[in-house]
Amino acid sequence: GAVVSQHPSRVICKSGTSVKIECRSLDFQATTMFWYRQFPKQSLMLMATSNEGSKATYEQGVEKDKFLINHASLTLSTLTVTSAHPEDSSFYICSARDRRTGEGYGYTFGSGTRLTVV
Amino acid sequence: KNEVEQSPQNLTAQEGEFITINCSYSVGISALHWLQQHPGGGIVSLFMLSSGKKKHGRLIATINIQEKHSSLHITASHPRDSAVYICAVAGTASKLTFGTGTRLQVTL
Repeated sequence: GAVVSQHPSRVICKSGTSVKIECRSLDFQATTMFWYRQFPKQSLMLMATSNEGSKATYEQGVEKDKFLINHASLTLSTLTVTSAHPEDSSFYICSARDRRTGEGYGYTFGSGTRLTVV
Repeated sequence: KNEVEQSPQNLTAQEGEFITINCSYSVGISALHWLQQHPGGGIVSLFMLSSGKKKHGRLIATINIQEKHSSLHITASHPRDSAVYICAVAGTASKLTFGTGTRLQVTL
């Protein structure tokens, strides 16, 4: 089945540094990738939608200069948290649309990245 | 009012019990998804439904489009089923709208 590999799974960084999170679709072409963040015991919150080869579409309230998204190829999308601060500490997870034979489009999720900014 | 409502929010069951989690939505959808999130955070897609009923192992998902309601059933529950179960609906823009999740704990 469709697999999305997300790295790193856990990262601790110092305040002011940048962190890059990668999501790769291993056996399918991910034309659309969604990036979410999740605070403890809360639901997933969509941050942005990226389509291969074009600029990402950010949800209201999400700073595009802080959360840089690149979707340069059909199998790789990256999220870079720039100048990270402790309030950016969260669980980040990506999801790619995958075509399911006879069923339309499903969603395959990465395993998530737990970011802690100290 | 949230567009996707789940109930119950928390559920504790003994091993072997039959479990039902409900999801109601208020918007038009192209599909409804049931997801499972384990304590480590990873999310697994369990079902994608646009009509009727699907079964996979001990899991059964149903949807009633007219009533805008879906249920996820777990038969013969087991402690390894302990997780957060999330209902999500896909609109025409392909974005998912998530319910707040149901935290299930299955005890021995």
